[in-house]
Amino acid sequence: EPEVTQTPSHQVTQMGQEVILRCVPISNHLYFYWYRQILGQKVEFLVSFYNNEISEKSEIFDDQFSVERPDGSNFTLKIRSTKLEDSAMYFCASVRMNTEAFFGQGTRLTVV
Amino acid sequence: GQQLNQSPQSMFIQEGEDVSMNCTSSSIFNTWLWYKQDPGEGPVLLIALYKAGELTSNGRLTAQFGITRKDSFLNISASIPSDVGIYFCAGTGNQFYFGTGTSLTVIP
Repeated sequence: EPEVTQTPSHQVTQMGQEVILRCVPISNHLYFYWYRQILGQKVEFLVSFYNNEISEKSEIFDDQFSVERPDGSNFTLKIRSTKLEDSAMYFCASVRMNTEAFFGQGTRLTVV
Repeated sequence: GQQLNQSPQSMFIQEGEDVSMNCTSSSIFNTWLWYKQDPGEGPVLLIALYKAGELTSNGRLTAQFGITRKDSFLNISASIPSDVGIYFCAGTGNQFYFGTGTSLTVIP
């Protein structure tokens, strides 16, 4: 199975600090997504990204969040000033529409 | 984005029983995908369906792409303890939509 790589696997950060979560999607895919999953809860959509811009975002994805694909390879999610409630698993998905979609192993973010 | 409705939300079954779960959408999809998530891991693709009415198997797993293109189901036959996890559906068309998940517990 093709692999979507996420780094780091676990990040612990102080409240108010900025974090950047990284994803390397599959090379011939064009659509990229971020999801989060708070412990024991369902997977929640954050944002979708296509052609170097956001195509859709959820209410969770407020001004504290941003995404970019700075070098055509990495797809990053930045949280500017983390809050305790941002603690969750964050998953990146790499999608080729009408064909396949693969998820990374996730980044566990712990805000203390 | 739209989230697909999965049912049931959770299931507790005895080892050896068959399991059935489904996923519905208000939109038509061209592809349905089913994933399994183990604790602390990312969702792993189990089965992909590309045509309305298609029935596809992967070992003890069988999934079908509904005729209306708005639903899909996943069956697991003769469940075993390692089937425990959360099962997600997803659909793609112009967008990619992910399901709410069905949590499966298998009691030995």
